[in-house]
Amino acid sequence: AQSVTQPDIHITVSEGASLELRCNYSYGATPYLFWYVQSPGQGLQLLLKYFSGDTLVQGIKGFEAEFKRSQSSFNLRKPSVHWSDAAEYFCAVAFYNTDKLIFGTGTRLQVFP
Amino acid sequence: EAQVTQNPRYLITVTGKKLTVTCSQNMNHEYMSWYRQDPGLGLRQIYYSMNVEVTDKGDVPEGYKVSRKEKRNFPLILESPSPNQTSLYFCASRAGNQGNTIYFGEGSWLTVV
Repeated sequence: AQSVTQPDIHITVSEGASLELRCNYSYGATPYLFWYVQSPGQGLQLLLKYFSGDTLVQGIKGFEAEFKRSQSSFNLRKPSVHWSDAAEYFCAVAFYNTDKLIFGTGTRLQVFP
Repeated sequence: EAQVTQNPRYLITVTGKKLTVTCSQNMNHEYMSWYRQDPGLGLRQIYYSMNVEVTDKGDVPEGYKVSRKEKRNFPLILESPSPNQTSLYFCASRAGNQGNTIYFGEGSWLTVV
């Protein structure tokens, strides 16, 4: 079955530290891959997306993500976290030839000064 | 400005009282969708529509109805709401195929008592 897994429910980092949020998917082919961020009380904002080409994707707010086909992963990274990055992050996958966008369960990021 | 607009943003209602959450987009997008967000479950797709008069079930369609009579509007109807439909609802739209960015509304908080 098609699925998306974000294994970390909650991550806490210090401001200035590096960040990596994990995302794995289950599917027989390469899907379209997205990362969204949701600030408290807000809707979802697209950080970045991947569907072909260079496997390292740059997004907004200094985020990047790397697609690794062999690991079925699309991990989100940021070299230096800011307090304003505290939010919930969702990985999402759109599978080819379907119209579904499947979300992971989210990772809540807390940033300490 | 590109927008997906949902109304109401906040609603408390009673069990069994029919309600409609409206969704409108101004980007001439073909695809529209409804999601519900619940703690620990991420976003789950309720219904989606590929174009006018074309709708299909998502992962959690029970207890909901939708219609797509016009391209810009995609209302979500709860014919007989129950407490387990208390949730945060998001409407979304995108142009064309699965690789395009999905734009989300700001969300509608619905409480059924």
